[in-house]
Amino acid sequence: DIQMTQSPSTLSASVGDRVTITCRASQSIDTWLAWYQQKPGKAPKLLIYKASNLESGVPSRFSGSGSGTEFTLTITSLQPDDFATYYCQQYNSYSPMYSFGQGTKLEIK
Amino acid sequence: EVQLVESGGGLVQPGGSLRLSCEASGFTFTSNWMSWVRQAPGKGLEWVANIKQDGSEKYYVDSVKGRFIISRDNAKNSAYLQMNSLRGEDTAVYYCARYRDSTKRFDYWGQGTLVTVSP
Repeated sequence: DIQMTQSPSTLSASVGDRVTITCRASQSIDTWLAWYQQKPGKAPKLLIYKASNLESGVPSRFSGSGSGTEFTLTITSLQPDDFATYYCQQYNSYSPMYSFGQGTKLEIK
Repeated sequence: EVQLVESGGGLVQPGGSLRLSCEASGFTFTSNWMSWVRQAPGKGLEWVANIKQDGSEKYYVDSVKGRFIISRDNAKNSAYLQMNSLRGEDTAVYYCARYRDSTKRFDYWGQGTLVTVSP
């Protein structure tokens, strides 16, 4: 199985800050990596796909990068609406085909 | 506007069965894979199953193989998850999601339906 490890598990930041969340895969997944935002009691929302592609309608302060085993999600100039939990998701041709990181909770400092 | 509406969740005893439904609107259902993803209370996300546009390909996470069946009815714009031999560890919110195979992403999600497996 490919394991996805996100860091940090919790991140405290202030409005206007720039933050970075990292996701590491236990083996190469090329660029098959997506990022989601989830707020309490709500469904996840897709932010980034194929490592660096911004989903339509997502603000440009969100960006993704990486390939192989290491990926990052960066949020520039944090807005109040950005405080949420973020998950990475990988695809591979083995089992399980998709797995998610354990999540990073972004909290207001 | 893309909408996915799940239904069918509830309380079921261990060993019991439940069928979840996902009604889709706002897009061409027959052109898209569909998926189920679950989230246990206070935990992270876990992919459960995928089904191809015509139902000819289905994939499952190992923990539900032989117990869950994903299906779809393109005439009704609906996807389903038949869950049998339910266990306590199947307790979760189950989300229906549209899956884009070309980019391996889940781009639209329903609001979820809660399944609780308890005596």
